[in-house]
Amino acid sequence: DADVTQTPRNRITKTGKRIMLECSQTKGHDRMYWYRQDPGLGLRLIYYSFDVKDINKGEISDGYSVSRQAQAKFSLSLESAIPNQTALYFCATSDGNSVDEQYFGPGTRLTVT
Amino acid sequence: AQSVSQHNHHVILSEAASLELGCNYSYGGTVNLFWYVQYPGQHLQLLLKYFSGDPLVKGLKGFEAEFIKSKFSFNLRKPSVQWSDTAEYFCAVNALSGGGGADGLTFGKGTHLIIQP
Repeated sequence: DADVTQTPRNRITKTGKRIMLECSQTKGHDRMYWYRQDPGLGLRLIYYSFDVKDINKGEISDGYSVSRQAQAKFSLSLESAIPNQTALYFCATSDGNSVDEQYFGPGTRLTVT
Repeated sequence: AQSVSQHNHHVILSEAASLELGCNYSYGGTVNLFWYVQYPGQHLQLLLKYFSGDPLVKGLKGFEAEFIKSKFSFNLRKPSVQWSDTAEYFCAVNALSGGGGADGLTFGKGTHLIIQP
């Protein structure tokens, strides 16, 4: 079984709709992250959480919100989706040690029409 | 804040050719360095990492990378590429804070590598 899972894997939604992307992990890591990937721009950090009570904005948090429901769950919400939020979204986890290697989920492809 | 620059956005090589993908970062402190690979339709996988010790690190599938601190570089190399190496390659950095952890990875924009049979 995958250590980091994301649901849904693909989603098409309309402008103005609220949508939630979910991430679950079985690695027992405290740290979780949300990134978006756009062609030619690499991955950019949206939000990150070092534990259930600690949530921080990343490079591009505008238009997004997150919820850390438990150590294993970290969800990303688009309150009112817009077309330029069409992207591939990745969740990642890490254990926060000195290397802090991150482990990525399979991604959610979101299209906003 | 740190930044990462990958020199080539698209690289096309023939099988058996040698590969070097450039990566430079900007940050004056201690960093961990990573190369991730994303095969078509798949998620990111760690190819190799550097955090301390020998600056020449070896990873999956015959890839290696050398950390040159004076040049702020972490270039990826492979002496002989294969068709199956076709993928997107990302260099990433996390800058270590005083507490030892980091605030997420900073990625380069990626290099799309195509290997022609």
